[in-house]
Amino acid sequence: GAVVSQHPSRVICKSGTSVKIECRSLDFQATTMFWYRQFPKQSLMLMATSNEGSKATYEQGVEKDKFLINHASLTLSTLTVTSAHPEDSSFYICSARLAGQLNSPLHFGNGTRLTVT
Amino acid sequence: AQTVTQSQPEMSVQEAETVTLSCTYDTSESDYYLFWYKQPPSRQMILVIRQEAYKQQNATENRFSVNFQKAAKSFSLKISDSQLGDAAMYFCAYRSDPRNSGNTPLVFGKGTRLSVIA
Repeated sequence: GAVVSQHPSRVICKSGTSVKIECRSLDFQATTMFWYRQFPKQSLMLMATSNEGSKATYEQGVEKDKFLINHASLTLSTLTVTSAHPEDSSFYICSARLAGQLNSPLHFGNGTRLTVT
Repeated sequence: AQTVTQSQPEMSVQEAETVTLSCTYDTSESDYYLFWYKQPPSRQMILVIRQEAYKQQNATENRFSVNFQKAAKSFSLKISDSQLGDAAMYFCAYRSDPRNSGNTPLVFGKGTRLSVIA
């Protein structure tokens, strides 16, 4: 089945530093990937839609200069949290859908738990 | 904007019994998809069941079934013969795709935490 690999699974960084999270579709191509954020005991909130070869579309209230998204290939999207602060500590999950399979379900990565100290 | 409402923050069920989780949604679209996802403590999102809005027949997957009431915009999940491994957060989700582009995201409800009592 389709597998989405997300790396790292956990990261601890100091305030002011940047962290990059990778999302890879291992056995399929994904023209579109989605980045979600989940605070403890809360739901998944869409941050942005990442499109291969074009700029990401950010949801209202999400700072595009803080959360940099790059979708340079059909199998890789990256989310970089720049100048991280403790309030950025959260669980970040990416998801992808098979290119050309419009009705296929979303496949989720295992998530990245970010802790900013 | 579409919204998904799960009115039960927590539910519990005895092992081997049946439980129903509620979900309602708001949309002006006629074509859309509905999903139930399970999130165990590992935080992995696991697709439980999906329903296409154009299909009148309720989807079923082994012990999981849905009651899809399109006019009422209701999409409840029934878990039969509950097992200890069913304990998790359950999220109801909606996706519209009016242009059939395949690049629309899921909108999630706030989730229902299900406990299974041995």
